[in-house]
Amino acid sequence: EAGVAQSPRYKIIEKRQSVAFWCNPISGHATLYWYQQILGQGPKLLIQFQNNGVVDDSQLPKDRFSAERLKGVDSTLKIQPAKLEDSAVYLCASRPDRGRTGELFFGEGSRLTVL
Amino acid sequence: DAKTTQPNSMESNEEEPVHLPCNHSTISGTDYIHWYRQLPSQGPEYVIHGLTSNVNNRMASLAIAEDRKSSTLILHRATLRDAAVYYCILRSSIQGAQKLVFGQGTRLTINP
Repeated sequence: EAGVAQSPRYKIIEKRQSVAFWCNPISGHATLYWYQQILGQGPKLLIQFQNNGVVDDSQLPKDRFSAERLKGVDSTLKIQPAKLEDSAVYLCASRPDRGRTGELFFGEGSRLTVL
Repeated sequence: DAKTTQPNSMESNEEEPVHLPCNHSTISGTDYIHWYRQLPSQGPEYVIHGLTSNVNNRMASLAIAEDRKSSTLILHRATLRDAAVYYCILRSSIQGAQKLVFGQGTRLTINP
């Protein structure tokens, strides 16, 4: 079974520039999550999709972050304009709706450095 | 979201058992207890979860206190590959969708 794919793995940008991250979940997984993990901290949920609808985006800084999941499959997370404090690893995860209750499958993450 | 408390770090020796504690005194009756671990430069991976009864799988065992206010993840025979950050998480179900809120976790060091 192929895992959750994310790209790019690494990105370096200057503050006020924009960046986009892409995630392709495991085939058939209806639920998709984006987490932000700052160095030394646990992952923080940014947004959760069920198919192509947003379930929870209460922690997403909507003035600069946006995310979409067109057609209920892959997803993109965009930051515009980036700030220094956005330097983090952005993790995508997906979950099947049936069986293995609650288990999330994570990608390897996209590491963002904002200079 | 219900909160968990874990020690910041623990250390153990290779081939010895490891007991990782977690306190969750505000757990509600329908919260599941999940454990994930994160190896260096990787995303978190699922370890085990339970509701009330103790659980075993190929990776670990989960012992849940009778009042459910604490739990312990047990690695029966630690190897160097078990060195990771271990997260104890209460899974809340909001509007039928599942949400995992991560804390700081416990950094486990395994000595050869």
